[in-house]
Amino acid sequence: QQQVKQSPQSLIVQKGGISIINCAYENTAFDYFPWYQQFPGKGPALLIAIRPDVSEKKEGRFTISFNKSAKQFSLHIMDSQPGDSATYFCAASSGGYQKVTFGTGTKLQVIP
Amino acid sequence: SAVISQKPSRDICQRGTSLTIQCQVDSQVTMMFWYRQQPGQSLTLIATANQGSEATYESGFVIDKFPISRPNLTFSTLTVSNMSPEDSSIYLCSAQRGLTEAFFGQGTRLTVV
Repeated sequence: QQQVKQSPQSLIVQKGGISIINCAYENTAFDYFPWYQQFPGKGPALLIAIRPDVSEKKEGRFTISFNKSAKQFSLHIMDSQPGDSATYFCAASSGGYQKVTFGTGTKLQVIP
Repeated sequence: SAVISQKPSRDICQRGTSLTIQCQVDSQVTMMFWYRQQPGQSLTLIATANQGSEATYESGFVIDKFPISRPNLTFSTLTVSNMSPEDSSIYLCSAQRGLTEAFFGQGTRLTVV
């Protein structure tokens, strides 16, 4: 059962542009929404995360927007750089010590 | 975040054999998990490795095929038993400390021939 839907599957952005990745979830028990960045041959690394009590969280060039009523959240990468080229996974979990459910992933390519 | 070391990083195995993957965390963690990731695909949780008790498996994964051990708070192993080419995948160890932070090892790339 796909509990976290992610789009687009792939994304090409010009250097300096804004990359936007969207996710939607079904389980209203989810209370923690992390984004992971994965480079080829590496494990996923936590990029930024948000809880549903806030609508936005910003860390540097990375921003999560969260819409609790729509059960949607998105990652915005401002001033995208070639070094941002990676696969991004949204995810969700609930209740603290719980397993993480991953989205299907978005392969981002930032071209010079 | 803590550092996870996984061994081996990759292996090529004959069908019908078994491979044990080791996961070592550099500090004590509360939870440890094992995931499978097909190349270019998302991560699928295999099981939660419970310290001192049997692992908790997700639907579609069974102990006979993927026995897991977790003898202490920093170490776990996953065995892929009686392997077939369909088991070719990347296997990732994950650990969680505190209520939210989950981090991953580099993964073990397994090819079954």
